[in-house]
Amino acid sequence: DADVTQTPRNRITKTGKRIMLECSQTKGHDRMYWYRQDPGLGLRLIYYSFDVKDINKGEISDGYSVSRQAQAKFSLSLESAIPNQTALYFCATRAPGKYNEQFFGPGTRLTVL
Amino acid sequence: GNSVTQMEGPVTLSEEAFLTINCTYTATGYPSLFWYVQYPGEGLQLLLKATKADDKGSNKGFEATYRKETTSFHLEKGSVQVSDSAVYFCALSDLRAGTYKYIFGTGTRLKVLA
Repeated sequence: DADVTQTPRNRITKTGKRIMLECSQTKGHDRMYWYRQDPGLGLRLIYYSFDVKDINKGEISDGYSVSRQAQAKFSLSLESAIPNQTALYFCATRAPGKYNEQFFGPGTRLTVL
Repeated sequence: GNSVTQMEGPVTLSEEAFLTINCTYTATGYPSLFWYVQYPGEGLQLLLKATKADDKGSNKGFEATYRKETTSFHLEKGSVQVSDSAVYFCALSDLRAGTYKYIFGTGTRLKVLA
């Protein structure tokens, strides 16, 4: 089984709809992250969380919100989706420590019409 | 601020060719450096890393050396295969400065032709 899972894997929605993307992990990591990937722009950080009570904005948080329901679950919401939020969204986790890498989920491809 | 600059792609090579993907960085502290690979339809996965100057990370025939004097971490492979076709991301984590997130480059797409 995958260590970091994301649901749904693909979603098509309309402008103005509320969308939730979910992420679950079995790695036991306390740090979790949400990124979006756009062609030519690489990965940009939306939100990150160091534990259930610690939520922080990343570089492009406008239009997004998150919820850390448990150590293993971190959800990303688009309250009112707009077309320029069409992108590939990745969840990642990391263990604390100076040199640890991030572990990524398989991604959710979101299209906003 | 911290940043990572990668060579633009796509890079197209024939099988068994030598690969270099350039990566340079700016950082205020002493970052750890990483290369991640993204195969089609998948998330990123760590390819290799180096945590201090002159360290060489290696994995699956790929190598990269942490060069502090040139602030570079170029990815190399002596003989690429079709299965190496993917997008490669250079990244840094400036942990000494207490920052809490990675900074990724924009990615370089590699296509290897049989």
